[in-house]
Amino acid sequence: AQSVTQLDSQVPVFEEAPVELRCNYSSSVSVYLFWYVQYPNQGLQLLLKYLSGSTLVKGINGFEAEFNKSQTSFHLRKPSVHISDTAEYFCAVSEPHNDYKLSFGAGTTVTVRA
Amino acid sequence: DAGVIQSPRHEVTEMGQEVTLRCKPISGHDYLFWYRQTMMRGLELLIYFNNNVPIDDSGMPEDRFSAKMPNASFSTLKIQPSEPRDSAVYFCASGEDNEQFFGPGTRLTVL
Repeated sequence: AQSVTQLDSQVPVFEEAPVELRCNYSSSVSVYLFWYVQYPNQGLQLLLKYLSGSTLVKGINGFEAEFNKSQTSFHLRKPSVHISDTAEYFCAVSEPHNDYKLSFGAGTTVTVRA
Repeated sequence: DAGVIQSPRHEVTEMGQEVTLRCKPISGHDYLFWYRQTMMRGLELLIYFNNNVPIDDSGMPEDRFSAKMPNASFSTLKIQPSEPRDSAVYFCASGEDNEQFFGPGTRLTVL
């Protein structure tokens, strides 16, 4: 069965600084990987996904993530954050041919300060 | 498309009452998922449907929880009787092409 570990529960960062959110997964088969963002009192919104192909994935709002199979990681980065990026970020994994079932990490709360 | 629609957005009820949460998935999506989100346990998959048929309900915590999908455009999650520990945000998501689209959630408070 697959599982996801998000290594940081809280990440404070100053506006216009870069941010990296770490995600490691475990699975016995190949995987699909996702990052979702949850703004306060809202549902989850997909930031980006890796299904196959290029290991560097670009998403919405200037975010990108890199799939590293040897390290079983899928870290999320943004070179310059805004106040509006304050939110909770979830890494998730699914396995092909498994009905799109997602396993989520515990989440990382990003707080951007001026 | 309006996205996944959930109602009500907020529900406050007393212990022992029946609670029904509703979800309208995105038209054309074959999969529908129900999740529960709490501070202690994070996001948990409760049950999911494929073409209106329940496929896996192993995440449903107790017999007090039940879910139905009578047609492709409507699903319900029912808790009877409700307990304070059921207080959480419940999300519905519909899916296609290896992607799930989440509704805004229902915040349930059981007093």
